[in-house]
Amino acid sequence: AQKITQTQPGMFVQEKEAVTLDCTYDTSDPSYGLFWYKQPSSGEMIFLIYQGSYDQQNATEGRYSLNFQKARKSANLVISASQLGDSAMYFCAMREANTGGFKTIFGAGTRLFVKA
Amino acid sequence: GAVVSQHPSWVICKSGTSVKIECRSLDFQATTMFWYRQFPKQSLMLMATSNEGSKATYEQGVEKDKFLINHASLTLSTLTVTSAHPEDSSFYICSAPFPDSYEQYFGPGTRLTVT
Repeated sequence: AQKITQTQPGMFVQEKEAVTLDCTYDTSDPSYGLFWYKQPSSGEMIFLIYQGSYDQQNATEGRYSLNFQKARKSANLVISASQLGDSAMYFCAMREANTGGFKTIFGAGTRLFVKA
Repeated sequence: GAVVSQHPSWVICKSGTSVKIECRSLDFQATTMFWYRQFPKQSLMLMATSNEGSKATYEQGVEKDKFLINHASLTLSTLTVTSAHPEDSSFYICSAPFPDSYEQYFGPGTRLTVT
């Protein structure tokens, strides 16, 4: 069963505007963590933001924020004030406590294109 | 910040030969490391969990005799692709969780091309 779903294969955004990348997940484990990673064309995986299932507030890291809707099992990434360097592949990922804590599964990814 | 290295960054080999990829945690110890495979324009697929001092745990559908994993020390895991074939051509990425943290650090990846 698909545990992480990213329904947007590609997204375009104008420079300096905000963009939301969607992510929904499926788990029966009450303890889990949600992650977003950026993968530029070089291939490296860059950690952006983390949200724990018990965290009361939405996570924020600079221009990145995670819109955590627990009841809807969604964890959308919001990038504010997009920059040309934000053009990359973005992966949503989840880690469940009952799998030993560190096993991480990834969504299919969303390719973001930032237009000048 | 913590760094995970991989070597080589890219390798071309002939069909039927074996290739070893190294993953090192440079400034922290990792009792567990993970190996992922990523085909072009696809997501990362977990292949196996590398455990220091014990056998690796393979994901369903991954041939353990083809993808040999050895976690020789607390800072080194190796993935050997044995009898490589063109369909094994892919981007291989390792990761290591940072102790007492939710973070895990990824290596820069190894691009394998089998001709």
